[in-house]
Amino acid sequence: DQQVKQNSPSLSVQEGRISILNCDYTNSMFDYFLWYKKYPAEGPTFLISISSIKDKNEDGRFTVFLNKSAKHLSLHIVPSQPGDSAVYFCAASSYNTDKLIFGTGTRLQVFP
Amino acid sequence: NAGVMQNPRHLVRRRGQEARLRCSPVKGHSHVYWYRQLPEEGLKFMVYLQKENIIDESGMPKERFSAEFPKEGPSILRIQQVVRGDSAAYFCASSPGTIQAGNTIYFGEGSWLTVV
Repeated sequence: DQQVKQNSPSLSVQEGRISILNCDYTNSMFDYFLWYKKYPAEGPTFLISISSIKDKNEDGRFTVFLNKSAKHLSLHIVPSQPGDSAVYFCAASSYNTDKLIFGTGTRLQVFP
Repeated sequence: NAGVMQNPRHLVRRRGQEARLRCSPVKGHSHVYWYRQLPEEGLKFMVYLQKENIIDESGMPKERFSAEFPKEGPSILRIQQVVRGDSAAYFCASSPGTIQAGNTIYFGEGSWLTVV
């Protein structure tokens, strides 16, 4: 039962353009969402988070949008840079638990 | 990765042996999590511990796996009688408080277990 889904296993974007990574969830109890970035042979690195009381959170080039009615969130990276090439995981947590449920990841490749 | 230290980084074990993975959280962090990533999959929650207590072990296999976070020393994930299906990357993470309180979880670089 995959409660957090990232349906696009890979995404290729030209440098300078916008990257949009999508994530869907099924559990309506989720109220806190995070995005992590992961390079090969390294651990995930926290990027940005959003609480369910908000619909947008921005940090530099990264913006996360949350659509609770659609149970959908997205991460926008603009402008995309070659160093952004990595696997991106979305994760969710609910108020009555303290564990993160991860999606399967989207591999982003930013080419010159 | 904000100071979460895992060792060994790579471990090879024969079927039936024991694997011990160690995790030193960021200094001052009292919450430790273990996640497992199988090839081509996302990270799966295994266990959540606070000092000397297991808070949530709902992701731990019922047999052969155990975890501890003693008062002194690192957290240990122990896998007894390893099988080939245990081959995976095991990530430890720590935080200063709960996720729901808005704390960020910081991950270590992982321990790669290969069972031959």
